[in-house]
Amino acid sequence: EDQVTQSPEALRLQEGESSSLNCSYTVSGLRGLFWYRQDPGKGPEFLFTLYSAGEEKEKERLKATLTKKESFLHITAPKPEDSATYLCAVQARSRLTGGGNKLTFGTGTQLKVEL
Amino acid sequence: EAQVTQNPRYLITVTGKKLTVTCSQNMNHEYMSWYRQDPGLGLRQIYYSMNVEVTDKGDVPEGYKVSRKEKRNFPLILESPSPNQTSLYFCASSFSRDWNQPQHFGDGTRLSIL
Repeated sequence: EDQVTQSPEALRLQEGESSSLNCSYTVSGLRGLFWYRQDPGKGPEFLFTLYSAGEEKEKERLKATLTKKESFLHITAPKPEDSATYLCAVQARSRLTGGGNKLTFGTGTQLKVEL
Repeated sequence: EAQVTQNPRYLITVTGKKLTVTCSQNMNHEYMSWYRQDPGLGLRQIYYSMNVEVTDKGDVPEGYKVSRKEKRNFPLILESPSPNQTSLYFCASSFSRDWNQPQHFGDGTRLSIL
């Protein structure tokens, strides 16, 4: 069974204080790993897809990296508007359910950036 | 504006009273899916649809029904809601069933079943 574990559950940073969020996964053949951002009262918003170990993607202050067992979301010099819950999800090669597009989600890291 | 629209956003109802949550997307997406989000459990897939008239069960389908008569709409039906279906529900869509297509989510429907 595919499993995704995110840590920490919650993280409080000062503005400008860089840090990393972790997503460790166990899947039977990874097709892709997705990062989403979720604001209160909103649905998840797509950030990145990573496909293979060693891959990196960047968007503004965020950089996502992938190894064979985990992914990191690095936040450089965060601002208060980066406060949100960050969700990690995986797609597995062997999953026959979900029409090939099923995502298995972690429970998220709730990030709060203070002035 | 490209979006996934869910209605209602909030609903409080009683056990056994049939309800429908609508989902509509304006992006001509083939793939649509329903998830529920519960504290400590993350998002879990309820049902999905790869195209019109093609639907199948996800991980937690018990107590739910869906239909896909039109490409843009994918309603979630609770025939006889129970308190354990109190949750936050999200509809999502993607361009195709292909694995590399990111899913776009609606803003959620918070259901309370008393």
